[in-house]
Amino acid sequence: QITLRESGPTLVKPTQTLTLTCTFSGFPLEDSEEGVAWIRQSPGKALEWLALIDSNDDRRYSASLRSGPTIIKDTSRQQVVLRLPNADPVDTGTYYCAHFVRIYNYVTGYNPRAFDIWGQGTMVTVSS
Amino acid sequence: DIQLTQSPVSLFASVGDTVTITCRASHHIAGRLNWYQQKSGVAPRLLIYDASRLQTGVPSRFSGAGFGGEFTLTISRLQPDDFATYYCQVSFNSPFTFGQGTKVEIK
Repeated sequence: QITLRESGPTLVKPTQTLTLTCTFSGFPLEDSEEGVAWIRQSPGKALEWLALIDSNDDRRYSASLRSGPTIIKDTSRQQVVLRLPNADPVDTGTYYCAHFVRIYNYVTGYNPRAFDIWGQGTMVTVSS
Repeated sequence: DIQLTQSPVSLFASVGDTVTITCRASHHIAGRLNWYQQKSGVAPRLLIYDASRLQTGVPSRFSGAGFGGEFTLTISRLQPDDFATYYCQVSFNSPFTFGQGTKVEIK
């Protein structure tokens, strides 16, 4: 059974680095066609894809993220960490991590099929 | 980047109704379109992937259709548990954009 759980600070000051951790179980995230994505939802707004990393260490980021985000995986700890430098009040919201299976297309290469299993989310407020 | 436009933004329906939500992509995305359901304060749930494939455990009253640039999610025989917000999402290539959502409310 695949599970994911997000953790991180509930309050971050502007300009600080926001660090979020996704702890997963039920899949290896290495030598498998799988990955973990981060999705954000600002209060009252739609879902927004932020970043992903897969078992082959392919990393993608949304162009909407400022200041050089970083996503890394630690398979020994079964964790995926997302770091967002220079936090801003617009980064306030609920952050979800989600599992995906990646599939190959000869035109577009490897991409997630869908975000099939989600964590419960963690709420972050960016405010001074 | 591929943009997704959902319509309507919200709709009112009664238990037992059939409702259809549309998602239009700004570029051709083959069948690489997914649908999610989100209830207030809860994480989204995958309903449909690859435009028309039902995720395991999802009731068969949910169905998806479409290819290329226009897609639909249909909910037949609406149940009380179906009142929620629905999102489409593109998986053709990065960025993996979501639509702006459609809220299905009780009439």
